[in-house]
Amino acid sequence: GQSLEQPSEVTAVEGAIVQINCTYQTSGFYGLSWYQQHDGGAPTFLSYNGLDGLEETGRFSSFLSRSDSYGYLLLQELQMKDSASYFCAVNRAGGYQKVTFGTGTKLQVIP
Amino acid sequence: EAGVVQSPRYKIIEKKQPVAFWCNPISGHNTLYWYLQNLGQGPELLIRYENEEAVDDSQLPKDRFSAERLKGVDSTLKIQPAELGDSAVYLCASSLTSDNEQFFGPGTRLTVL
Repeated sequence: GQSLEQPSEVTAVEGAIVQINCTYQTSGFYGLSWYQQHDGGAPTFLSYNGLDGLEETGRFSSFLSRSDSYGYLLLQELQMKDSASYFCAVNRAGGYQKVTFGTGTKLQVIP
Repeated sequence: EAGVVQSPRYKIIEKKQPVAFWCNPISGHNTLYWYLQNLGQGPELLIRYENEEAVDDSQLPKDRFSAERLKGVDSTLKIQPAELGDSAVYLCASSLTSDNEQFFGPGTRLTVL
C-alpha cells in the first residue's frame, strides 16, 4: 500500500517563508506532486518532482529526496491568498498515471 | 478554454435514494478521473477512464457505485442506493493523457440525510 504523512496545519505570517514537509512510503514510486486547494474550490496542480532536487516556479519551490522518501513545498513571500490546503501526492507506475493524495496541510497566513 | 464542468454543484438526498453526477472534461482530454473527497482529507480515486475504457476501478464500491463514459467524452457517476457515509465531495478531473497534469472540476457536494 501507500502512505503519506504531512502536517495537518501550519500557520505563518504574511511575507514570511513556510515549508510543508511530506514523507511517503509506496511501491513503484515515480514522482511527487503538489496541489493547492482553497476552501470550497478544486485542487490545482502546483509542481511535480520526478528527480531529486529543487524545482522552482515563482514563489513556490518543491524538493524531492528519493533516498529519504521525503519532499517539501516551500512558499516564499507569503500572501494572504496562499491560505489554502496543500496536498502532496505520489505518482506511481507511469508519471501522472496513478496519483495517491496525502491528507493535506491547511496553511493559514496571518497578517 | 473552459475547464472541467461538473453538475450539480450541490445535491441533498435521503438515504436509499439514487443520485447521479455528471462531468464534462476539458476538450481533447483523453483521461478522466472520478475522486471522492471527505472533509479534511485528500481526494481518493474511484475510477479512471482512458477514452471510454475504465482502466482503474479498483477503489470503486461496485455494489452501489457505477460509472460510464460511453462516447469517451463526458461521464456520469451513479450511486444507488446512497448511504449516509456517501456524504462527501465528488471531484472529476481530466488530463490530456495519463502522463499529464490533472485538471479538477469544482466538485459536487453530496449530503445524504
